[in-house]
Amino acid sequence: DTGVSQDPRHKITKRGQNVTFRCDPISEHNRLYWYRQTLGQGPEFLTYFQNEAQLEKSRLLSDRFSAERPKGSFSTLEIQRTEQGDSAMYLCASSSLYTDTQYFGPGTRLTVL
Amino acid sequence: QKEVEQNSGPLSVPEGAIASLNCTYSDRGSQSFFWYRQYSGKSPELIMSIYSNGDQEDGRFTAQLNKASQYVSLLIRDSQPSDSATYLCAARGATNKLIFGTGTLLAVQP
Repeated sequence: DTGVSQDPRHKITKRGQNVTFRCDPISEHNRLYWYRQTLGQGPEFLTYFQNEAQLEKSRLLSDRFSAERPKGSFSTLEIQRTEQGDSAMYLCASSSLYTDTQYFGPGTRLTVL
Repeated sequence: QKEVEQNSGPLSVPEGAIASLNCTYSDRGSQSFFWYRQYSGKSPELIMSIYSNGDQEDGRFTAQLNKASQYVSLLIRDSQPSDSATYLCAARGATNKLIFGTGTLLAVQP
């Protein structure tokens, strides 16, 4: 049973560029979550999907952020017109419908120059 | 007031001692609670989950929950240097999202 995977693991970009991250959840996990973590803070919830439906979005998620899970399997998180304040670790987690335990992937570390 | 609060530490304990990590939460509707361990530069790793009042034990780890006091704790017995990490407390409310504290840095001294 493979865990949650994320790609890329590291991304360095220039301010104003668009970036896209991918998350593959644990197989048969219906729920998929995105969190963001900055240094010295706990992860902050961004959004979550149940199958392909996006059920909740944080108010932190500005209109520059968009997430999709088109076929209810992998998910992508896109950030348009990146800003230096977007520099963070972006974490993906998944859980099954039968338990609320969330398992995290390795994260994508974004650096915006 | 933050929804989940933890002392940021560092909490320093000698090897072999019991480390006690504490967490309080503000949302009385929170239904389940989790402790994650996070090594520097890595992602959170689940240690324990607890859903009802009382103690839950798993190996060297014991999670304690007191819903009346809105208090969650994690005890690590026979602490090892490899336990040195940040410990994150998280609460799940009515929706499925987790609300995390800022984490407590634990340093186990050999």
